[in-house]
Amino acid sequence: QKEVEQNSGPLSVPEGAIASLNCTYSDRGSQSFFWYRQYSGKSPELIMFIYSNGDKEDGRFTAQLNKASQYVSLLIRDSQPSDSATYLCAVIVKTDKLIFGTGTRLQVFP
Amino acid sequence: DTEVTQTPKHLVMGMTNKKSLKCEQHMGHRAMYWYKQKAKKPPELMFVYSYEKLSINESVPSRFSPECPNSSLLNLHLHALQPEDSALYLCASSHRGREGRTEAFFGQGTRLTVV
Repeated sequence: QKEVEQNSGPLSVPEGAIASLNCTYSDRGSQSFFWYRQYSGKSPELIMFIYSNGDKEDGRFTAQLNKASQYVSLLIRDSQPSDSATYLCAVIVKTDKLIFGTGTRLQVFP
Repeated sequence: DTEVTQTPKHLVMGMTNKKSLKCEQHMGHRAMYWYKQKAKKPPELMFVYSYEKLSINESVPSRFSPECPNSSLLNLHLHALQPEDSALYLCASSHRGREGRTEAFFGQGTRLTVV
């Protein structure tokens, strides 16, 4: 089992819709979870981090964490074409070991 | 200041060259990382330094040699690379706070081409 897993997509949603991205992880002891956005040829850009069970909202983005089920998700409300990118889930799986999932490619069409 | 600075931004080197990638952060973060990213793939962890000591080496070939001269700097020395080593090399730093909660930031990367 991979340490961090994501559906590679592409996930296609119409402009204005909600995009839902999911991630599962294998280490029950993980405490820190991140969502990064990466445009082609650029470095990952931190969108959200979440540490506690439940929801965390920041503008159009909501991260959701469920430690019992070992998943973390990212919701993007009112999706825009500029949100089209690869979204990387990353987890600290043990002390200082930050591991990425394979990334989900999101396409928002007008 | 949440900046991680990497230099150079682009590097072209021959297979017999020796070059170094540099990474700097002034956030007081005590863990620093090197990742390698190929096109359409996620970043792949290479090395982790924790408190200036190498704590994780993900079975990286010896032609890649990391160095952490101090808590703000991380280098990656390159020697006798192969064309398949061409990739985006990313540096990151992180800080572990209360209850194991960690924040992590990435530099803009060095685009390396080996010819």
